[in-house]
Amino acid sequence: EPEVTQTPSHQVTQMGQEVILRCVPISNHLYFYWYRQILGQKVEFLVSFYNNEISEKSEIFDDQFSVERPDGSNFTLKIRSTKLEDSAMYFCASPLWDQETQYFGPGTRLLVL
Amino acid sequence: AQSVTQLGSHVSVSEGALVLLRCNYSSSVPPYLFWYVQYPNQGLQLLLKYTSAATLVKGINGFEAEFKKSETSFHLTKPSAHMSDAAEYFCAVSEGSTLGRLYFGRGTQLTVWP
Repeated sequence: EPEVTQTPSHQVTQMGQEVILRCVPISNHLYFYWYRQILGQKVEFLVSFYNNEISEKSEIFDDQFSVERPDGSNFTLKIRSTKLEDSAMYFCASPLWDQETQYFGPGTRLLVL
Repeated sequence: AQSVTQLGSHVSVSEGALVLLRCNYSSSVPPYLFWYVQYPNQGLQLLLKYTSAATLVKGINGFEAEFKKSETSFHLTKPSAHMSDAAEYFCAVSEGSTLGRLYFGRGTQLTVWP
């Protein structure tokens, strides 16, 4: 199966600190997504990104969150000032060019202390 | 608004037994439906998807799911469970496009006993 990669695999941070989560999607696709899964809860949509712009965002994706494509291949999710409730597994997803199906990366486990 | 309900947060079967994982959805328009599997410490892997073609969809690892509009269901089945099927399974729905945001169910943890 095609591979979406994410770094780091785990991150521990102090409340109030900024974190940047990185993802390398399946190459050359214009769509990109971030989801999160708080322990014991369902996977929740955060934001979708199409052609270098946010195409849709959920109510979770407030001003503390931002997404960027700093270069041609990497995507980042930034949380400006982390809160305890931001502790979760964060997944990025990317479609295959010809299949229009979201393929997920392995996730980054974020722990906010 | 769309939603997905997975009945049973835990399902246990014996190796070789039928696997049935239930998923019901609500959607205001014809949905696109997906099943993903998550093995420990891994990401979500697509098992299969329904995109308004055949109502019986076959996926990887011997799994299949049937879309029943009248029941708003998309249950996942496998005739004979294998130890390697032990994982968490997520049903998801999107509206309008397979590239739209996915709404996930809470997941069902499948345990397979030898």
